[in-house]
Amino acid sequence: GAVVSQHPSRVICKSGTSVKIECRSLDFQATTMFWYRQFPKQSLMLMATSNEGSKATYEQGVEKDKFLINHASLTLSTLTVTSAHPEDSSFYICSANDAGSYEQYFGPGTRLTVT
Amino acid sequence: AQSVTQLDSQVPVFEEAPVELRCNYSSSVSVYLFWYVQYPNQGLQLLLKYLSGSTLVESINGFEAEFNKSQTSFHLRKPSVHISDTAEYFCAVSPTNTDKLIFGTGTRLQVFP
Repeated sequence: GAVVSQHPSRVICKSGTSVKIECRSLDFQATTMFWYRQFPKQSLMLMATSNEGSKATYEQGVEKDKFLINHASLTLSTLTVTSAHPEDSSFYICSANDAGSYEQYFGPGTRLTVT
Repeated sequence: AQSVTQLDSQVPVFEEAPVELRCNYSSSVSVYLFWYVQYPNQGLQLLLKYLSGSTLVESINGFEAEFNKSQTSFHLRKPSVHISDTAEYFCAVSPTNTDKLIFGTGTRLQVFP
């Protein structure tokens, strides 16, 4: 089956630093990848949609300059949280669409803690 | 715009008992419907989906869900749960003209021996 990996699984960083999270589709080509944020005991909130080779589309209220997304290849998308602050601490999850499929395959998530 | 409501944040149940996790949605356009399961410390996995055709869809591990258009519901059921079914269950919809997913707030199913 389709597998999506994320790296790192957990990261702790100091306030003001930047953190990069990688999302990879391991056995299929993902023309579209999605980035979600999940707060404790809450649902997944879509942050942005990333298409290979083009700029990401951000949801309303998500700062594109703070959450930089790069989708440089059909198997890799990265999310960089710039100048992180404690309120950015959250669980970040990516997903990817197999071309022509309505199904999104989810990565295991990255727990970000900003101290 | 679309929204998904999962009224039950937690559902405790004893092993081998039946369970129903409720999901209602609101949408002005046609949608596809999904149930995802998230086991502890793991990513979301697709449990089942409704795209078209028969309104009753089943998963390989005994869950089923029925799409009810008039009630805008997609409730998830299992006649007899196992301890291993303990997880967070998310209902989601996707407008048929996009590939975005809109999630409900999730229901934590806790199965007790």
